[in-house]
Amino acid sequence: EPEVTQTPSHQVTQMGQEVILRCVPISNHLYFYWYRQILGQKVEFLVSFYNNEISEKSEIFDDQFSVERPDGSNFTLKIRSTKLEDSAMYFCASSIRSPLHFGNGTRLTVT
Amino acid sequence: ELKVEQNPLFLSMQEGKNYTIYCNYSTTSDRLYWYRQDPGKSLESLFVLLSNGAVKQEGRLMASLDTKARLSTLHITAAVHDLSATYFCAEINTGTASKLTFGTGTRLQVTL
Repeated sequence: EPEVTQTPSHQVTQMGQEVILRCVPISNHLYFYWYRQILGQKVEFLVSFYNNEISEKSEIFDDQFSVERPDGSNFTLKIRSTKLEDSAMYFCASSIRSPLHFGNGTRLTVT
Repeated sequence: ELKVEQNPLFLSMQEGKNYTIYCNYSTTSDRLYWYRQDPGKSLESLFVLLSNGAVKQEGRLMASLDTKARLSTLHITAAVHDLSATYFCAEINTGTASKLTFGTGTRLQVTL
C-alpha cells in the first residue's frame, strides 16, 4: 500500500538554526499538510497546500515557517530560526479528499 | 474556532471489559474520523464516518456518529492488551482543503 514517507526520522538542532523537514506524499494525492504534536499533547494543524500554494495556515505557522513543493514528489517544511518551543513531532499528510494519510513523523529536538 | 473534545482523557481498563470514548465537536460538519496512535508512532486511520447515524465496526472497535448531537463514540468491546494506544477523533472543515481538527486524545491502557 502506498504510504507517506518522511525524512529524517529524528533531527536535533541548535536554537536559531534552520531546519528542513522532508516528505514524499502519496503520488496521486492532491492535498498536502503539515501537523505537529508536542510531546503528550494533541495534534495541531500547521498548514495545508493545494495546487502549488498554501490554502490555509494556522496561527502557529508564522513567518519562521515556509513550505515548498520543489518538484513533483517532495513537500518540505522549513523553519528558518528554530526556537526551543519548536521541539515536537512533525507529521506530513496527504490526501485526495479524505481521509488524510500520515507519515511516520520527524521528531525535532531543539537544544 | 472549531473545538473537538474527548473524554475521558485517560482510560485504564481490564482485558475483557467494555467501554466507550466520547467525542464532542462544535461545528455542523457531518464527517468525523477516528485515528489510533501508538507511542512515538504515526496516526493510523481507523474509521471515517460520513453521515448522521453512521456506524462502523472493525474487530473490537465500533464507531458511531450523531450529527444532531455533534457526538461521536468509539466503543471498545472485550478489550485486549493490543488495543492500548491513544485514540483521537478529528473533525473536518470542508470549507478549506479538508483541514482536520483533532480532539484532545484518549490514552487507553488495557491491563491484563
